[in-house]
Amino acid sequence: NAGVTQTPKFRILKIGQSMTLQCTQDMNHNYMYWYRQDPGMGLKLIYYSVGAGITDKGEVPNGYNVSRSTTEDFPLRLELAAPSQTSVYFCASSRNRDRLEQYFGPGTRLTVT
Amino acid sequence: GESVGLHLPTLSVQEGDNSIINCAYSNSASDYFIWYKQESGKGPQFIIDIRSNMDKRQGQRVTVLLNKTVKHLSLQIAATQPGDSAVYFCAENTYNQGGKLIFGQGTELSVKP
Repeated sequence: NAGVTQTPKFRILKIGQSMTLQCTQDMNHNYMYWYRQDPGMGLKLIYYSVGAGITDKGEVPNGYNVSRSTTEDFPLRLELAAPSQTSVYFCASSRNRDRLEQYFGPGTRLTVT
Repeated sequence: GESVGLHLPTLSVQEGDNSIINCAYSNSASDYFIWYKQESGKGPQFIIDIRSNMDKRQGQRVTVLLNKTVKHLSLQIAATQPGDSAVYFCAENTYNQGGKLIFGQGTELSVKP
């Protein structure tokens, strides 16, 4: 199993541009999450999903959108990128409510200039 | 709001010594706790978890202790090795929050040879 994969690894955006961060997991996990991590800080939850077709906001959802059309994929969309969105983005998944340990992807480093 | 925090941002230990990383949490209703290790440039990696009905759990070279009376969590690493150098995060979950984890800021562990 590849686990959780994320693309791209790095990206530089200009202010106002849009992009989609891709996340795929091959562990048949029901729960998926998007976090951002600013330098020297912990992880903040952006959005999460408990199954295909179900998404909900986390702690810092403003400026982002998600969709979950399949169990495997959970893309994160940035509309009108702003410098405040410069961060490292991690996608994670967990099996279900009884197995909550989350498995993380390698991250996407995004810079907005 | 509820938060999970760490007592010390950095910890330096000698190779071969035991390490203790501490974490304070404020939500007495939290029922599940996880420790993650994050190496530079990588996503967090699951180490060990513990449920609130336990006070101790052991893994390979790691032990997690939970003291619900003072809302304190610790991670003990035996015979610390250079490969243990990383940032360590604690995270907590409350059943009525679904699969969401709240992460602390992290402690950076540095192992001196």
